Amino acid sequence: DGGITQSPKYLFRKEGQNVTLSCEQNLNHDAMYWYRQDPGQGLRLIYYSQIVNDFQKGDIAEGYSVSREKKESFPLTVTSAQKNPTAFYLCASSTGLAGVPEETQYFGPGTRLLVL
Amino acid sequence: AQSVAQPEDQVNVAEGNPLTVKCTYSVSGNPYLFWYVQYPNRGLQFLLKYITGDNLVKGSYGFEAEFNKSQTSFHLKKPSALVSDSALYFCAVRPSGGYNKLIFGAGTRLAVHP
Repeated sequence: DGGITQSPKYLFRKEGQNVTLSCEQNLNHDAMYWYRQDPGQGLRLIYYSQIVNDFQKGDIAEGYSVSREKKESFPLTVTSAQKNPTAFYLCASSTGLAGVPEETQYFGPGTRLLVL
Repeated sequence: AQSVAQPEDQVNVAEGNPLTVKCTYSVSGNPYLFWYVQYPNRGLQFLLKYITGDNLVKGSYGFEAEFNKSQTSFHLKKPSALVSDSALYFCAVRPSGGYNKLIFGAGTRLAVHP
């Protein structure tokens, strides 16, 4: 988990509320990612960003939004449009060198989101 | 469709015995393959990866994995299991080309009994 921090560790959301999950990295990585983990389903990609001020939708982007204003930060907002937000959310980063097969993604400790 | 399969939800092994966690994949082109481990309520930790070259890859904590192109498999192995190896293990594949997208398997829970 070293170099990537996520906060809070636990987050509770009320109906109709937007909540924001924080992800910060000090690895000087260009690329950052958000995944959602549900029991028995592995990890699914929500959004990714290869460089500051740019991001792309992943496989399950509906109901989520992101921003990438700084290289070290990639916050994820879970909006009220996400009807089933209860999950474990993982942030990851990599050097971002496109086409370099040695690329490894490194993960933060995760945030568990629960709906009240 | 590109996918990763981990056919066993759980693997049970006695401490000191060898362990194998299975992974098969389906991707176009040459795959890049990864294994990660997750302890309860923690993020994923990188164990090892196969990019090219020797089919037997050695990684962290005594783990190794064997790439078999004909069987499209990348099984994780360890000669002697420890109780502390008990965790959730994920296999992932990155198709060649494009951005650094990882496709994950559903995970296999490894339980090592004393």
